[in-house]
Amino acid sequence: RKEVEQDPGPFNVPEGATVAFNCTYSNSASQSFFWYRQDCRKEPKLLMSVYSSGNEDGRFTAQLNRASQYISLLIRDSKLSDSATYLCVVRRNDMRFGAGTRLTVKP
Amino acid sequence: DGGITQSPKYLFRKEGQNVTLSCEQNLNHDAMYWYRQDPGQGLRLIYYSQIVNDFQKGDIAEGYSVSREKKESFPLTVTSAQKNPTAFYLCASSIPPSHEQFFGPGTRLTVL
Repeated sequence: RKEVEQDPGPFNVPEGATVAFNCTYSNSASQSFFWYRQDCRKEPKLLMSVYSSGNEDGRFTAQLNRASQYISLLIRDSKLSDSATYLCVVRRNDMRFGAGTRLTVKP
Repeated sequence: DGGITQSPKYLFRKEGQNVTLSCEQNLNHDAMYWYRQDPGQGLRLIYYSQIVNDFQKGDIAEGYSVSREKKESFPLTVTSAQKNPTAFYLCASSIPPSHEQFFGPGTRLTVL
């Protein structure tokens, strides 16, 4: 079993849609959680950290459920520029990356 | 501007040759990392260094070597012992307490 698992997608949604990505992790000792965004053939860039109480940054909302070892990312009012691969990242002693969920937002 | 640079962006080498990938950062971060990314897979950790003159193997260190003689620099050598070196190589750095990692633009290595 992979340490961090994500639905690979692709998710194809129209502009303005709300889309949610899920991620599960296997190590209950994990301490920190992040979502990164990676554009095609580019480096990953930090989108947001994920806090236990949940957190929001504009159109993006991240949730963490430690009991279920589950992380989510919600994107509201999708824009064309949101098209990318979203990586779930979990840290215990080092960072563990999911393979990513690919999102395409269409006009 | 502060950031991480990697060079070259694209690299072609013949099988059996060693090649060194450059990674430099001016963020004053103590920790630096090397990952490789293959299509459809998550990033896999090759080596990391928490402090100058010290480094640790990651999950897939075989066939690779690193050095950390300066805080700013963490070069990666892909040796001829690496069975499948063609990949996208990413360097990152981080600083406590958040441990958020910041990535360089990557080097695409193709072994012919």
